[in-house]
Amino acid sequence: GNSVTQMEGPVTLSEEAFLTINCTYTATGYPSLFWYVQYPGEGLQLLLKATKADDKGSNKGFEATYRKETTSFHLEKGSVQVSDSAVYFCALKGGSSNTGKLIFGQGTTLQVKP
Amino acid sequence: NAGVTQTPKFQVLKTGQSMTLQCAQDMNHEYMSWYRQDPGMGLRLIHYSVGAGITDQGEVPNGYNVSRSTTEDFPLRLLSAAPSQTSVYFCASTPWQGGGGELFFGEGSRLTVL
Repeated sequence: GNSVTQMEGPVTLSEEAFLTINCTYTATGYPSLFWYVQYPGEGLQLLLKATKADDKGSNKGFEATYRKETTSFHLEKGSVQVSDSAVYFCALKGGSSNTGKLIFGQGTTLQVKP
Repeated sequence: NAGVTQTPKFQVLKTGQSMTLQCAQDMNHEYMSWYRQDPGMGLRLIHYSVGAGITDQGEVPNGYNVSRSTTEDFPLRLLSAAPSQTSVYFCASTPWQGGGGELFFGEGSRLTVL
């Protein structure tokens, strides 16, 4: 079945450091891929997405590229801020799925220190 | 805009008690779902609905019931609470088609079962 694996956290960085959070997936067909972010005390919200191979999703300085050859969708940001401290979830929607069912990774906690 | 509204935000139950977590959305979304979030396990799908009168099981449905009598509401019922159901519960919705896979989440309901 479909699955998503994220790097374990927590990840602790200093402000302005470069961020990478790894995400790999297993899926049949052509899934859509997502990154969601959860700020403390809030629900999840969509950060970015990519719906086909080689697509790059981007938002708020974050980027992720859909790599079918390596089944990966790593999240990157060139210079993190304290306000980026949150939990980040990689997620997958099966290509043949016509429902809203998403499969989530376990989440990676990012803490950015001033 | 209210979006997805969950109540209550916090609840403490004793083992064997029953309760209902409420979820309402005002975006006329056909698809609604319930997830539970546990440390190190990400979000796991409990139940989902693709429209009024239609529900189906997700990955971890045991111990939970749902119904969908209207497009707006999707309550989650715990018939006999167990300590293993201590978790944070999220309701989410998305359009049946054309939503691109983006789920809109409520702020969560934190449940503790003693």
